[in-house]
Amino acid sequence: DTAVSQTPKYLVTQMGNDKSIKCEQNLGHDTMYWYKQDSKKFLKIMFSYNNKELIINETVPNRFSPKSPDKAHLNLHINSLELGDSAVYFCASSHGQGNSPLHFGNGTRLTVT
Amino acid sequence: GNSVTQMEGPVTLSEEAFLTINCTYTATGYPSLFWYVQYPGEGLQLLLKATKADDKGSNKGFEATYRKETTSFHLEKGSVQVSDSAVYFCALSEDGGTASKLTFGTGTRLQVTL
Repeated sequence: DTAVSQTPKYLVTQMGNDKSIKCEQNLGHDTMYWYKQDSKKFLKIMFSYNNKELIINETVPNRFSPKSPDKAHLNLHINSLELGDSAVYFCASSHGQGNSPLHFGNGTRLTVT
Repeated sequence: GNSVTQMEGPVTLSEEAFLTINCTYTATGYPSLFWYVQYPGEGLQLLLKATKADDKGSNKGFEATYRKETTSFHLEKGSVQVSDSAVYFCALSEDGGTASKLTFGTGTRLQVTL
């Protein structure tokens, strides 16, 4: 199936740990994104990569580090997790044009205890 | 900066009722406008879009018209079904060159009952 897939679906961890979320798309898109959705469902962009190059980097703590080994993958590594990092993280992809719609993965629910 | 304002939910309707979810925006330039839908436990799916003034986006019985004069993009459906229960997000896209930098509204939860 063509899709944006991210793993894991659920991630429960303790404060101070380091964790990673992986994302892969097989839609042939050039651009990938990470969005954070908080408990009130508000969505905010974190990062965007185009062909492995970082092009959007919003005000995000530097504990969050995205890595794009190729244009089909965009992983998110989080160091020293904090309670406030608990959220649902969505990966998305699109063609590399300003008004292209985004295709989202099903999200990773991160719970920091 | 850009912003999107949606009516607060939840919106509760009986099946076959008429639906309107209001959305207004503030933007510099000429953004593209989108409605996304999020079903429980899933990611967002594109519902419809409009790229310029007076364009009407439509899909699955839902419609929205890009109104530049009122900076609005209200979502409508003539007869809702229980399966339409979800959270609906209005969004605008800046032309970010090689990326779509979406600004989302806060989402409106729709609950349709029999």
